[in-house]
Amino acid sequence: EAQVTQNPRYLITVTGKKLTVTCSQNMNHEYMSWYRQDPGLGLRQIYYSMNVEVTDKGDVPEGYKVSRKEKRNFPLILESPSPNQTSLYFCASSTMTLAYNEQFFGPGTRLTVL
Amino acid sequence: GQQLNQSPQSMFIQEGEDVSMNCTSSSIFNTWLWYKQDPGEGPVLLIALYKAGELTSNGRLTAQFGITRKDSFLNISASIPSDVGIYFCAGTNNAGNMLTFGGGTRLMVKP
Repeated sequence: EAQVTQNPRYLITVTGKKLTVTCSQNMNHEYMSWYRQDPGLGLRQIYYSMNVEVTDKGDVPEGYKVSRKEKRNFPLILESPSPNQTSLYFCASSTMTLAYNEQFFGPGTRLTVL
Repeated sequence: GQQLNQSPQSMFIQEGEDVSMNCTSSSIFNTWLWYKQDPGEGPVLLIALYKAGELTSNGRLTAQFGITRKDSFLNISASIPSDVGIYFCAGTNNAGNMLTFGGGTRLMVKP
């Protein structure tokens, strides 16, 4: 089954404790991206990657890091989480051969930073 | 970054009614997309629009790409309870590598 998986689905942590949210896709997609969803703000793009070893900032990259060492994985790293990073996070992937960049989304990771 | 203004923020309608929601922007977008998000899940693409003026249907859903490339609307005809969810508009930039989302329209349908 073609899918985007994220782990963990739920996470409660404390300020300053480094964490990583994993994302993996099995569709051989070149493009992967991370979003955060906050009430009334829709989804805002954090980082994206157009292929292995290529990453770029989205609209809200501050406080986040990503890496793309393999095509299927795109982890999101919070080196020193803060309460304003409490949010619902989505990973997405797509093939860049589609003009409109249809993105397939994972199920989401709900993060709470105390 | 670019911003999309989506309205209304929420709608509570009777089953069988038609629904209309729209998005506007001060910037031009090359493509417009409409997504639906069910509770506890990620967004799923409903309709994609590629050209200014384009009108596209998907079952009971119809969406249009505005002539100015700064707006789009989504209509749902004869709503049913499973239409409940949050609907997002989204636009892609020139390079197609970034997606900007509207704030969402929460749709509630009363049986």
